Amino acid sequence: EPEVTQTPSHQVTQMGQEVILRCVPISNHLYFYWYRQILGQKVEFLVSFYNNEISEKSEIFDDQFSVERPDGSNFTLKIRSTKLEDSAMYFCASNSGVLSYNEQFFGPGTRLTVL
Amino acid sequence: KNEVEQSPQNLTAQEGEFITINCSYSVGISALHWLQQHPGGGIVSLFMLSSGKKKHGRLIATINIQEKHSSLHITASHPRDSAVYICAVTAGQNFVFGPGTRLSVLP
Repeated sequence: EPEVTQTPSHQVTQMGQEVILRCVPISNHLYFYWYRQILGQKVEFLVSFYNNEISEKSEIFDDQFSVERPDGSNFTLKIRSTKLEDSAMYFCASNSGVLSYNEQFFGPGTRLTVL
Repeated sequence: KNEVEQSPQNLTAQEGEFITINCSYSVGISALHWLQQHPGGGIVSLFMLSSGKKKHGRLIATINIQEKHSSLHITASHPRDSAVYICAVTAGQNFVFGPGTRLSVLP
C-alpha cells in the first residue's frame, strides 16, 4: 500500500540554524500539506501546496518558513533560522483530490528539537 | 475563524463498551475529518464526511451540518482502540484541528 514517507525521523539542531524536513508524498497525489504538533498540544495547519505553489498558509507560516517541491517526488519544509519554539513534531500529508474533500494520508512525522 | 471543540477530553472504557466522541465547530465547512493518533505519534485518517453517516468496521461517524456537530462511535471497543481521536474541519485548504479525545480501553 502506498504511503507518505518523511526523513529524518528525528532532527536535533541549534537555535538559529536552518533545517530542511523532507517528505515523499504518495506519487499520484495532487495536494501536499505540512502540519506541526507541539508536544502536548493540538495539531496545527502550516501550509498547503498545489500545482507547484502555496494554495493556503496559516499565521504560523511566516517568512522563516518555505516549502518546495524540487523534483517530482520530494516535498520539503525549510525553516531558515530555527527558534526554540519551533521544537515540535512536523507531519507531512497528501491527498489525491482536487479539493480537500478527500482522505488525508499522513507521514510518520519528523520530531524537531531545537536546542 | 473556525473553532473546533471535542468532548470528552479523556475517556476510559472497559473492553466491549460502546464509545461516543463528540465534535462541534463554529462556522460552515467543506468537510470534517476524524483522525486517530497512535501513542507513537502517527496519524491515520479514519473518515472524511461532508454529510450523513459513514461506517467502517466497528467505527461509525455521523455529521449534522445544520447543528455543526459530528460524532464518532466505536462499537465493541478493544484495547487496541486506545489512542487520541482528533476531529478536523476544512473550508478550502486550511484545516482546523480539535484538541483531541484521549481514549483508553481497559481489558
